[in-house]
Amino acid sequence: EDQVTQSPEALRLQEGESSSLNCSYTVSGLRGLFWYRQDPGKGPEFLFTLYSAGEEKEKERLKATLTKKESFLHITAPKPEDSATYLCAYSPKTSYDKVIFGPGTSLSVIP
Amino acid sequence: DAGITQSPRHKVTETGTPVTLRCHQTENHRYMYWYRQDPGHGLRLIHYSYGVKDTDKGEVSDGYSVSRSKTEDFLLTLESATSSQTSVYFCAIRGQGPYEQYFGPGTRLTVT
Repeated sequence: EDQVTQSPEALRLQEGESSSLNCSYTVSGLRGLFWYRQDPGKGPEFLFTLYSAGEEKEKERLKATLTKKESFLHITAPKPEDSATYLCAYSPKTSYDKVIFGPGTSLSVIP
Repeated sequence: DAGITQSPRHKVTETGTPVTLRCHQTENHRYMYWYRQDPGHGLRLIHYSYGVKDTDKGEVSDGYSVSRSKTEDFLLTLESATSSQTSVYFCAIRGQGPYEQYFGPGTRLTVT
């Protein structure tokens, strides 16, 4: 069964303390792997798409990487405004039209 | 927010009553989606549309129906609301990239 899991469920960091969020997927075929950010009370905000193992994307303090089984969202020197829930999602080759979301990692960055 | 609005933003209704949620987009996107988000389950696809009058089911479609008579509007209807349908509902559109989705602000629905 295709599925995506994320770890940890929640993460507290001190400002400036770099870390990584993990997204593990078991899908029969992957069209794309996505990362979203969601602030409380708002809809998810698109961050990155990764298509193949070895690919990397960067945006400000965030860098997303992809292997054949996992994706990581690296956060370098985080600031309090990076606090949010980060969602991983994928589009399976079996269904062009659909995106399947993971449960998310709640990140808190303490000043 | 990619020109997506949802209405109402908050609604409280009683069990057994019909409810319709509206998603409106201003940028002529072909694909539109309805998700629900619940603690412990994340975002789950209810229905989606790939054009006017073209819709398909997602993973949690039971108890929901949709309609799309115009490109800009995608309606989600709960024919007879149940307490298990208490949730936050998000509408999304597919953006410029082949699989990127952009979300509206959400509707918080409470069924008492």
